[in-house]
Amino acid sequence: EADIYQTPRYLVIGTGKKITLECSQTMGHDKMYWYQQDPGMELHLIHYSYGVNSTEKGDLSSESTVSRIRTEHFPLTLESARPSHTSQYLCASSEYMSGYEQYFGPGTRLTVT
Amino acid sequence: SQQGEEDPQALSIQEGENATMNCSYKTSINNLQWYRQNSGRGLVHLILIRSNEREKHSGRLRVTLDTSKKSSSLLITASRAADTASYFCATDPTGANSKLTFGKGITLSVRP
Repeated sequence: EADIYQTPRYLVIGTGKKITLECSQTMGHDKMYWYQQDPGMELHLIHYSYGVNSTEKGDLSSESTVSRIRTEHFPLTLESARPSHTSQYLCASSEYMSGYEQYFGPGTRLTVT
Repeated sequence: SQQGEEDPQALSIQEGENATMNCSYKTSINNLQWYRQNSGRGLVHLILIRSNEREKHSGRLRVTLDTSKKSSSLLITASRAADTASYFCATDPTGANSKLTFGKGITLSVRP
């Protein structure tokens, strides 16, 4: 069982609100990732980090921002939520073992009304 | 565009039957991985096969990799209702520095 946690699991919020999705892992992994996934659809990488103070944008453009001040913590923030942000957000971490296998949190399902 | 393309998009079988899922990709890779996702949950890593390997087993799972055809298959033998989930292949492209590229997924339904 992966030691990676996401809170909240479900969030329903009104347009214009600022939200932060939390992600924490206790495995000491340097690499962390945020994916966006619509129901029944593929994963899209929106942010990643190779370590403390390192953040990069992913393949899918996103209005969200991330920070990595501590190894174990990789929060994602939306300054002003919109209905188009409604989606499932998955956090993952990895370290080199036989390859970069990724360990995923349970996800946050965000609905913006 | 996504590197991995799974085939079929959906598969429905009877409990006890074998399930075969295929994945094709476009560029050279370090390894290829398969993940399972239960409805509304995160992904769980199942198995990894390196570019210099041709076949790998883990329990009821068998993965093959053909780098000349840029394709992989995942075989689940003696399927169970609990195997019902979405399955994704993910490639670790050379030079991508730990960023995986996921396919669109295959929905497997195992009827009891």
